[in-house]
Amino acid sequence: GAVVSQHPSRVICKSGTSVKIECRSLDFQATTMFWYRQFPKQSLMLMATSNEGSKATYEQGVEKDKFLINHASLTLSTLTVTSAHPEDSSFYICSARELGTAANYGYTFGSGTRLTVV
Amino acid sequence: AQKITQTQPGMFVQEKEAVTLDCTYDTSDPSYGLFWYKQPSSGEMIFLIYQGSYDQQNATEGRYSLNFQKARKSANLVISASQLGDSAMYFCAMRELTGGGNKLTFGTGTQLKVEL
Repeated sequence: GAVVSQHPSRVICKSGTSVKIECRSLDFQATTMFWYRQFPKQSLMLMATSNEGSKATYEQGVEKDKFLINHASLTLSTLTVTSAHPEDSSFYICSARELGTAANYGYTFGSGTRLTVV
Repeated sequence: AQKITQTQPGMFVQEKEAVTLDCTYDTSDPSYGLFWYKQPSSGEMIFLIYQGSYDQQNATEGRYSLNFQKARKSANLVISASQLGDSAMYFCAMRELTGGGNKLTFGTGTQLKVEL
């Protein structure tokens, strides 16, 4: 089945530094990638939607200059948290969708990245 | 208004018993899909079951079934013969096919604990 590889699984960084999270679709072409943020014991909140080769569409309240999303190829999307601060500490998870898949299929999730900013 | 509502923050069930996790939704889109995902403590999202708004029959996948009541806008997940490995967070999600694009909207989740 479809697999999305997300790295790193855990990262600890110092306040003020930037962190890059990668999501790769291993056996399909991910025309659309979704990036979510999840606080402990809470729901997944969509941050942005990116389509290959075009700018990401950010949800209301998400700072696009802070959370940089690049979807330069059909198999790779990256989320960069710039100038990270402790309040950015969270679980980030990506989801990829292949063009043309049926409505009930195609949402393949990565395994998530636990970011801790100290 | 919340698009997906899960009113049970936590549920307990005994092993081998059935359990129902509630989900109600709100949409004016006539074409939509409803999903259930399981999230163990490790964090990955595991797809369980899907119900389309035009599907005539309730979806079933092994021990999982979806009690779809369209008029009430509810899509409850039923897990039969619960196992210890079913202990996890469960999320209901919706995709609005006409106006919502491809994105999924998630509920707040239900933490299920299966006991011996």
